[in-house]
Amino acid sequence: EIVLTQSPTTMAASPGEKVTITCRASSSVSYMYWYQQKSGASPKLWIYDTSKLASGVPNRFSGSGSGTSYSLTFNPMETEDAATYYCQQWTSIPWTFGGGTKLELK
Amino acid sequence: EVQLVESGGGLVQPGRSLKLSCAASGFTYSHYIMAWVRQAPTKGLEWVATITTGGDNTYYRNSVKGRFTISRDNAENTLYLQIDNLRSDDTATYYCAKGYFDYWGQGVMVTVSS
Repeated sequence: EIVLTQSPTTMAASPGEKVTITCRASSSVSYMYWYQQKSGASPKLWIYDTSKLASGVPNRFSGSGSGTSYSLTFNPMETEDAATYYCQQWTSIPWTFGGGTKLELK
Repeated sequence: EVQLVESGGGLVQPGRSLKLSCAASGFTYSHYIMAWVRQAPTKGLEWVATITTGGDNTYYRNSVKGRFTISRDNAENTLYLQIDNLRSDDTATYYCAKGYFDYWGQGVMVTVSS
């Protein structure tokens, strides 16, 4: 099973800041997906194929990475971005998610 | 507009069974693989099972193999998850998800407790 480790697990940021979340895989993966989940709501696909923005996602978000190291960047952070973000891999079954990064407003 | 609406959850005793449903609309259901993903209270997301377009192939995480059965009815645009021999660690919100998780339902809560 490919284990995805996200860091940090929790962080606080101010609007206007540049924020980067990382996701490290225990084995190489072909690409990474990212999801946003706000409190009490369902997850939403946020980034697919490592760097492609899902429909409706603002272009201040970007994704990058390869192999075992991937990242999600917000530049700049806005108040509506406060949420939990999960990375996820499709390379091998079981398809796994990272533990999540909870992003709070400072 | 894509819509996925789950139903069938509730409070169930350990060892009992439950069948979840997910009614799909707004897309050509029979053209997409479908999946169930769960989230235990205050925990992260966990893929549970996936079914291919025609229902010929199914995939499960190890911890649910033999107890969970994913199925679909392409005539009724509905996805199912039969859960047998429920355990306390099955307590979670269960989401159905379209394709490569590009759309999710609102989720249905399953609580396993005596």
